[in-house]
Amino acid sequence: AQTIHQWPVAEIKAVGSPLSLGCTIKGKSSPNLYWYWQATGGTLQQLFYSITVGQVESVVQLNLSASRPKDDQFILSTEKLLLSHSGFYLCAWSPGENTLYFGAGTRLSVL
Amino acid sequence: GDSVTQTEGPVTVSESESLIINCTYSATSIAYPNLFWYVRYPGEGLQLLLKVITAGQKGSSRGFEATYNKETTSFHLQKASVQESDSAVYYCALGEGNTGKLIFGLGTTLQVQP
Repeated sequence: AQTIHQWPVAEIKAVGSPLSLGCTIKGKSSPNLYWYWQATGGTLQQLFYSITVGQVESVVQLNLSASRPKDDQFILSTEKLLLSHSGFYLCAWSPGENTLYFGAGTRLSVL
Repeated sequence: GDSVTQTEGPVTVSESESLIINCTYSATSIAYPNLFWYVRYPGEGLQLLLKVITAGQKGSSRGFEATYNKETTSFHLQKASVQESDSAVYYCALGEGNTGKLIFGLGTTLQVQP
């Protein structure tokens, strides 16, 4: 069975500080990977997707970046956090069609 | 662009009562989007509840049902008799093609009272 693990569970960070969120998928080779984000009171929206190692497509420009250094790993990062980055970040995978399977998420508070 | 509108919450019902959470969609980029209901139980991650990819078909899971109605562009979630364990946040979503891009509604918080 496939498992998806996100880290950390929660972060409290200062404006202007760097951020790195991670996601690992086990039990599935070459999955499509996704980052979604939900601002408080807002809806979930797709930020990035990747269909192969080293290739990442940006969907929404939020001064964030993503990388896929390994087949089973997806990283979301920024060098300088903004207040508007606060929210809930979800990593997801799919077997190639648009049914997504999500991780437990990371709650980020930027102060 | 594509959008999803669902019942504003919180929705509070008593155990064993029936439930309907409304969902309507607007799909301009794709004629026949895939439609989904996802659920987030307290303390857990977002998980797929049910999915329907063909207009006119019904999906069901854990006692919940939803029918893909292209004429009314709706995908309402129904359950005949809710349980306290159904308390959660429910999200309606549509899938745009095969990019894994899901357009979500705002979510509906369901509170089931014993």
